Amino acid sequence: AQTVTQSQPEMSVQEAETVTLSCTYDTSESDYYLFWYKQPPSRQMILVIRQEAYKQQNATENRFSVNFQKAAKSFSLKISDSQLGDAAMYFCAYRSYNNNDMRFGAGTRLTVKP
Amino acid sequence: DGGITQSPKYLFRKEGQNVTLSCEQNLNHDAMYWYRQDPGQGLRLIYYSQIVNDFQKGDIAEGYSVSREKKESFPLTVTSAQKNPTAFYLCASATGTGPPGQLNQPQHFGDGTRLSIL
Repeated sequence: AQTVTQSQPEMSVQEAETVTLSCTYDTSESDYYLFWYKQPPSRQMILVIRQEAYKQQNATENRFSVNFQKAAKSFSLKISDSQLGDAAMYFCAYRSYNNNDMRFGAGTRLTVKP
Repeated sequence: DGGITQSPKYLFRKEGQNVTLSCEQNLNHDAMYWYRQDPGQGLRLIYYSQIVNDFQKGDIAEGYSVSREKKESFPLTVTSAQKNPTAFYLCASATGTGPPGQLNQPQHFGDGTRLSIL
């Protein structure tokens, strides 16, 4: 079964600075999808960014971008110009191409300091 | 607006009781999921369903049961066999398997139900 590992339980960043959250995964599949979700104190899960494994180009959504290294099975999230509203738990997730099985990492709690 | 509705928001269970958590979606999604989240931990998959009248066990299905009689609904029953049910439960849905262009659709999540034991 696929596993997703987030090795940083907690991270902090100064407002307006840049922070990178790490994610690695283990799979024998060649086609799959990767996601980063944000969970603020309200506990809602909010999609931040997604990446298709067959695409070499790294996904970007405004201040959020990923560094997808398929050979290394690494999928890090970079948040630029951090804002106070970015403070939340961030979860990395893996989804198989051929079914709907989705796996989540343990999460990284991001604190943004004013 | 389309979305996922979980109810109730807070639920209390007495020892030995079964309780059912509701999850309804009006997004016309084929796939639905139940996750459990414990403090300081990520999401763990309990059950998922790719189509009506079909569902599969996730990583931690013991002590739980589900049904999928309607596309819109995927209730989760926490049975008395679940010895440590106190947790936050999240329901999600996604478009099902189909043409490759649909497979990258992310999951939509409900607001969750917090279950506690009295």
